[in-house]
Amino acid sequence: GAVVSQHPSRVICKSGTSVKIECRSLDFQATTMFWYRQFPKQSLMLMATSNEGSKATYEQGVEKDKFLINHASLTLSTLTVTSAHPEDSSFYICSATPPGLVYEQYFGPGTRLTVT
Amino acid sequence: AQSVTQPDIHITVSEGASLELRCNYSYGATPYLFWYVQSPGQGLQLLLKYFSGDTLVQGIKGFEAEFKRSQSSFNLRKPSVHWSDAAEYFCAVGGKAAGNKLTFGGGTRVLVKP
Repeated sequence: GAVVSQHPSRVICKSGTSVKIECRSLDFQATTMFWYRQFPKQSLMLMATSNEGSKATYEQGVEKDKFLINHASLTLSTLTVTSAHPEDSSFYICSATPPGLVYEQYFGPGTRLTVT
Repeated sequence: AQSVTQPDIHITVSEGASLELRCNYSYGATPYLFWYVQSPGQGLQLLLKYFSGDTLVQGIKGFEAEFKRSQSSFNLRKPSVHWSDAAEYFCAVGGKAAGNKLTFGGGTRVLVKP
């Protein structure tokens, strides 16, 4: 149980375009999902907390107009990187919290974004 | 503010040998502690967690961790390492004071020699 998927697993886009990454909880409903960014050989940095039906809460220093998060349903959150630039290239990982397990997070497999 | 320190960036261990990964945390209230493992290009898999109770916690894949409040530590151990244990390991802290957010350490990369 507690499986989280992400799509796509890899994406290459041109500079200036936008790209959408989906995060789905497959076997549970997640009122809260999280989006992380991971640079090579580094730890995870929390970008934002996504709550179903409300606006996402962004961490300090994360541009909310650049990284648009939509948590439209209890099983789906999306991250859209708008007007992507090469410095946005990174590994993006989402996680979700199952009901009743407020302090635990289950992670998706990640999405490798390369901006050319 | 909460923080997690993993002092060892890399550890190399021979297959069959024991492994210990260090984790020190700073948290202003009762911590909830986690160890995750990440294989190359993959997401994170939960190995074990500590919320309360017995300070020695058993996890998956033969791992265990011990919570020592006096030392603010939550070290991960495995008695006999397998080649498949080569991966990146992350310690994380959370808890009621942090809402439902986790703070991760910098990670320790484990290499296993045949």
